[in-house]
Amino acid sequence: DGGITQSPKYLFRKEGQNVTLSCEQNLNHDAMYWYRQDPGQGLRLIYYSQIVNDFQKGDIAEGYSVSREKKESFPLTVTSAQKNPTAFYLCASSTSGGGQPQHFGDGTRLSIL
Amino acid sequence: SQQGEEDPQALSIQEGENATMNCSYKTSINNLQWYRQNSGRGLVHLILIRSNEREKHSGRLRVTLDTSKKSSSLLITASRAADTASYFCATDGSGAGSYQLTFGKGTKLSVIP
Repeated sequence: DGGITQSPKYLFRKEGQNVTLSCEQNLNHDAMYWYRQDPGQGLRLIYYSQIVNDFQKGDIAEGYSVSREKKESFPLTVTSAQKNPTAFYLCASSTSGGGQPQHFGDGTRLSIL
Repeated sequence: SQQGEEDPQALSIQEGENATMNCSYKTSINNLQWYRQNSGRGLVHLILIRSNEREKHSGRLRVTLDTSKKSSSLLITASRAADTASYFCATDGSGAGSYQLTFGKGTKLSVIP
């Protein structure tokens, strides 16, 4: 079955530590996205990538980094510079072209130890 | 950036009743989308309505769009307990950067058996 796989489901970060969230898709989609969701809130865009080897900052990119070396993979690193990383992180993908329906993974919940 | 805002924030109904959720946004759009999110899961795309459409149906879902009022509504008919979830509207931009979807904070729907 085609879909998006996020791992791990739960992640704990120590002070000063960088952590990387995995996102893999087998939908053959060109575009991929990372969102942050805080309790009772909507989704806020962190980064998005329209094509391999290219990505753009979203509304809240500070303290995060991404790479897009393969079409299937779009990992997100939460760096130590992100002072409030506790949130639910969602990865999504879509076909190329703006405003397309997005397919989501089941998220990674990140907490601070 | 523009943002969709859902209303009400929470809605509780009996099974079999209809549920109506509203979304308002601020600037011009190419299309508007509705998503569902079950607790602790990713979002699932429900329906997309383009700016030149006024109404769209999909099964028990009916979406309307009024671009003059910058508003949309999602109607779920004959609700079921399985419809319990949060519902989000998302808007794209009509110009450059329309890869970005902007999500509202959602309406939390509870359907009581």
